[in-house]
Amino acid sequence: GAVVSQHPSWVICKSGTSVKIECRSLDFQATTMFWYRQFPKQSLMLMATSNEGSKATYEQGVEKDKFLINHASLTLSTLTVTSAHPEDSSFYICSSRQYSNQPQHFGDGTRLSIL
Amino acid sequence: GENVEQHPSTLSVQEGDSAVIKCTYSDSASNYFPWYKQELGKRPQLIIDIRSNVGEKKDQRIAVTLNKTAKHFSLHITETQPEDSAVYFCAASKQSAGGTSYGKLTFGQGTILTVHP
Repeated sequence: GAVVSQHPSWVICKSGTSVKIECRSLDFQATTMFWYRQFPKQSLMLMATSNEGSKATYEQGVEKDKFLINHASLTLSTLTVTSAHPEDSSFYICSSRQYSNQPQHFGDGTRLSIL
Repeated sequence: GENVEQHPSTLSVQEGDSAVIKCTYSDSASNYFPWYKQELGKRPQLIIDIRSNVGEKKDQRIAVTLNKTAKHFSLHITETQPEDSAVYFCAASKQSAGGTSYGKLTFGQGTILTVHP
C-alpha cells in the first residue's frame, strides 16, 4: 500500500491563483520530506528539503517566496505555488524519509496545469 | 555539488534479453545509490539500492554493481519482460549511519527502457 499520500493528483487553474499540495506520510513519522519538480520526459529536480519544525532548505534557483513549504507535523508537509503562471505547470512529487539512512518513498505526484 | 550522469537515454531490448543501465557520479563522498522505476504519470518506485560498503547486490532478476574507485554503478535486469518497460532513474546521495546527514538525492537523467514481446 501507499506509504506517502499526495493530494490533489491533478489541478487545473487560472494564471495568478495559488495552489496548495499536501504530502502525508502514512506509515511513519517523516523527519524529512522532499519536494521535486519533473518536467515532461525529464528527471526529478529537487526543489527543497523540508524538516519538521524548521524552515525548508531550498535548492539554488528555486524561489522560496513563490514555492512556500510548510512542515508543521511529522506526517504532513505542504507546498504552495503562489501566483502560479503557465511556466509553473509541471509534475510535482514529494517524498518522505524517516531517518537519513533509509530510502525515500515517493507520493503519487500532482500534475499542475496553469492556463 | 553532486552530478550524476546516466546512459543510455533510451534502451530497446527483446523480451528475455538482458538490459544494462550505467551511471557515474562525481562526489566521492556519496555512499548510497538507489534505482527507481517510474511508469508514465506515476510515482518513482524503489527497485533496488546499494551502499558503498558492498560491490554488488541482487534481487531476483535485478542486480546492481558499484565501482567506488571509478565512481560508477550499473543496473542489470535479466530475462526482461514487457512489464519491465518504464523509465529508470539512478540516484546518489550521502547518508550517515548516525542519522544526522542531509541525504538528498541527486538523480540521473533517466533511461527509457522498452521491452518488445
